[in-house]
Amino acid sequence: GAGVSQSPSNKVTEKGKDVELRCDPISGHTALYWYRQSLGQGLEFLIYFQGNSAPDKSGLPSDRFSAERTGGSVSTLTIQRTQQEDSAVYLCASSLIAGGADTQYFGPGTRLTVL
Amino acid sequence: DQQVKQNSPSLSVQEGRISILNCDYTNSMFDYFLWYKKYPAEGPTFLISISSIKDKNEDGRFTVFLNKSAKHLSLHIVPSQPGDSAVYFCAASDSGTYKYIFGTGTRLKVLA
Repeated sequence: GAGVSQSPSNKVTEKGKDVELRCDPISGHTALYWYRQSLGQGLEFLIYFQGNSAPDKSGLPSDRFSAERTGGSVSTLTIQRTQQEDSAVYLCASSLIAGGADTQYFGPGTRLTVL
Repeated sequence: DQQVKQNSPSLSVQEGRISILNCDYTNSMFDYFLWYKKYPAEGPTFLISISSIKDKNEDGRFTVFLNKSAKHLSLHIVPSQPGDSAVYFCAASDSGTYKYIFGTGTRLKVLA
């Protein structure tokens, strides 16, 4: 079946602009995660959605970052007033259920470059 | 504070030999560990996992070993193949939560 898809695959923007990154999880997966991988770093947890529960936003680095998940499926990560330090690969993952023992399936990522 | 550490950023191994990738963690609450493999321009793909109730899990050419007292796990690939060349991430979780903590990755290069 279809895996996790993300769009766009690459995004180049100017400092100060807003960007929106999209994630389509695997159908039927209730949990959705956003991560960020900066150059030379591991995957940094950003935000987590589980069903209709309030999302865990504890990993968002600043209030310029927000995310929503509509209808329990597609998710959008929005970065306002982008800064150069926001340049990274943004990865989305989904899992069938919530829980640390459930495998997360990753999308290919969106490479964001802020000039 | 890095709770999951992969201290070797890169590793080169001859084809057919064993590759050993290492990972250390600091949080004693972690009880579930995973390895992911990542090719360029692709997302990480799940490779193998181990629960803290075990000290070894094997899947074909891939074996993960867990040493809880040392807070150390390792991934063995034998025999290594050129197609194994990728970045390998270890991740740890407290199974009571949903967060994985990832290491910084080790780039494995298998030489033909």
